[in-house]
Amino acid sequence: DIVMTQSPDSLAVSLGERATISCKSSQSLFMSSTNKNYLAWFQQKPGQPPKLLIYWASTRESGVPDRFSGSGSGTDFTLTISSLRAEDVALYYCLHYYAAPRTFGQGTKLEIK
Amino acid sequence: EVQLVESGGGLVKPGGSLRLSCAASGFTFTNAWMSWVRQAPGKGLEWVGRIKSKTDGGTTDHAAPVKGRFTISRDDSIDTLYLQMNSLNSEDTAVYYCTADRVGDTQFQQWGQGTLVTVSS
Repeated sequence: DIVMTQSPDSLAVSLGERATISCKSSQSLFMSSTNKNYLAWFQQKPGQPPKLLIYWASTRESGVPDRFSGSGSGTDFTLTISSLRAEDVALYYCLHYYAAPRTFGQGTKLEIK
Repeated sequence: EVQLVESGGGLVKPGGSLRLSCAASGFTFTNAWMSWVRQAPGKGLEWVGRIKSKTDGGTTDHAAPVKGRFTISRDDSIDTLYLQMNSLNSEDTAVYYCTADRVGDTQFQQWGQGTLVTVSS
């Protein structure tokens, strides 16, 4: 099974500053037949279901602010929030969907410094 | 409007069974791969299992902690996904979400609000 490891577990960033979350997979999530990385990022606020932010590692979901961006390929991926806003306080998870079983990272708690 | 609505959660004794349902609307359920994801209180997200569309074989995969105890199924005639849970234990206590694993080129775009399952004597 593919293991997903996020870092850090928690992160405090000042408003307007950049937040960066890393996600590493135990094997490559790049599929050469489709030329895609099977990696998604989610945001979750208390009492709510996860919200899809990024899929195919770097494609922003419709309606997601452009301050959110995803990058990376293979086994190393990054979620970047370019200028933190108060409403971005949440838990963030990566997920691979390369094969079954899908697995999530353990989550990163993002707070305001 | 796309909607996924879970139901069937509740309090169940250890060793008991429960069946969750997820009613889908607003998209072509027949073509969708569907997953269940759970979240124990104060914990992270855990993928439970997935069922492919019948066109893609209709096969299921389940996570190791639930394999042999949980079964995912679907009824495309009424656009509904199921999770049959047997031999429940306290570690199965969680909010259970259904999600559209794959619909066309989109993945995990749609989620239900979740239903709480509590396993306790």
